[in-house]
Amino acid sequence: DVVMTQSPLSLPVTLGQPASISCRSSQSLVYSDGNTYLIWFQQRPGQSPRRLIYKVSNRDSGVPDRFSGSGSGADFTLKISRVEAEDVGVYYCMQGTHWPYTFGQGTKLEIK
Amino acid sequence: EVQLVESGGGLVQPGGSLRLSCAASGFTFSNYAMHWVRQASGKGLEYVSAISRDGGSTYYPDSVKGRFIISRDNSKNTLYLQMGSLTIEDMAVYYCTRGGKSTMTDYWGPGTLVTVSS
Repeated sequence: DVVMTQSPLSLPVTLGQPASISCRSSQSLVYSDGNTYLIWFQQRPGQSPRRLIYKVSNRDSGVPDRFSGSGSGADFTLKISRVEAEDVGVYYCMQGTHWPYTFGQGTKLEIK
Repeated sequence: EVQLVESGGGLVQPGGSLRLSCAASGFTFSNYAMHWVRQASGKGLEYVSAISRDGGSTYYPDSVKGRFIISRDNSKNTLYLQMGSLTIEDMAVYYCTRGGKSTMTDYWGPGTLVTVSS
């Protein structure tokens, strides 16, 4: 199975400051159709996961533009340009290229 | 509005069985592959199974293969997960979510809790 490794696992951030989460896969996530199926989720306390970014860098409808995704191959990053209080939660990356699809361990973002 | 609502969770003894359902609405159910994902309390997310649009293809990770069966009824817009030989490692909130390469995981239900205990 593809192993997804996130860092850091804990991310204390001051309001208004940027934040960055890394996600590395144990093999390339480029699919046979040329696309890279790397997804980022946010899970607020007590809620279901919410998809933020799909295919590395495409933001879902309603997701603030302070969230951005980048990367290629096996190395990906989620960036939040200016952290707000509502961004508190756990962030997961997930690969949807190789079955079984697999998730990173999660990064817990908290306000300093 | 797309909605996914899971049901069927509850308390089951080790070795027991349970069937989960996911009622879908707000989209053409038969046009989408569907998935089950679970999350143990305080833990991360794990894929449990996937099924193609017509139900002809199913996928399982090794952790549940041979014990879980995913199925769907497109006439009822409903996804199912039949779970057997349950262990405490199967105790989790189970979510259903949409499949499809660009739509995968774009919508999630609130989840249904499965508790395995004697």
